[in-house]
Amino acid sequence: NAGVTQTPKFRILKIGQSMTLQCAQDMNHNYMYWYRQDPGMGLKLIYYSVGAGITDKGEVPNGYNVSRSTTEDFPLRLELAAPSQTSVYFCASRPYDSQSNQPQHFGDGTRLSIL
Amino acid sequence: AQKITQTQPGMFVQEKEAVTLDCTYDTSDQSYGLFWYKQPSSGEMIFLIYQGSYDEQNATEGRYSLNFQKARKSANLVISASQLGDSAMYFCAMREFLAGGTSYGKLTFGQGTILTVHP
Repeated sequence: NAGVTQTPKFRILKIGQSMTLQCAQDMNHNYMYWYRQDPGMGLKLIYYSVGAGITDKGEVPNGYNVSRSTTEDFPLRLELAAPSQTSVYFCASRPYDSQSNQPQHFGDGTRLSIL
Repeated sequence: AQKITQTQPGMFVQEKEAVTLDCTYDTSDQSYGLFWYKQPSSGEMIFLIYQGSYDEQNATEGRYSLNFQKARKSANLVISASQLGDSAMYFCAMREFLAGGTSYGKLTFGQGTILTVHP
């Protein structure tokens, strides 16, 4: 019963490095989301996808890129890591439903530090 | 733009007592949804309860219930019979509902309330 799987769980990057945060879900959900959570704060939406090949920006997209080539996978890419991107990153997914009362299912998060 | 406000940075409650966590929201949408999530110290996000704006009754899920007051734009979470395992961060979140009836389910989160349950 995997649900939403995020890798890695922890990572330390140097300023200017790049990396990809992986997210995979096995529930055949159409919608996927990336959030960041800064210390003591709520989650903020970075990017989201409503299906394979379709992505759009959220509230805080600068410095990030995403792709959605399959229903299952939704990787998040940091191109030039900056200290301001130190955060915990959550991936989530949700099935399509017309009433939109289905909750998002979250992965366990990736803790990223930029030094 | 939607906004969620949780005015209580921290709350304390004695084990077995009830506690209310406040959430107020601001939206111009007529149709919206409100979610509560729990985040224990281990970091995962756990869905607790959902309230739709057109739901006539307050939502309940076991020991969790929502005190939904639409006119006041508040959706407070009530936890009855608190347990030590309830100690966690609690987030209120609102689902966007776009004009034309579509929704991509994007959530706007409040800043959270840290609940500490004392034995």
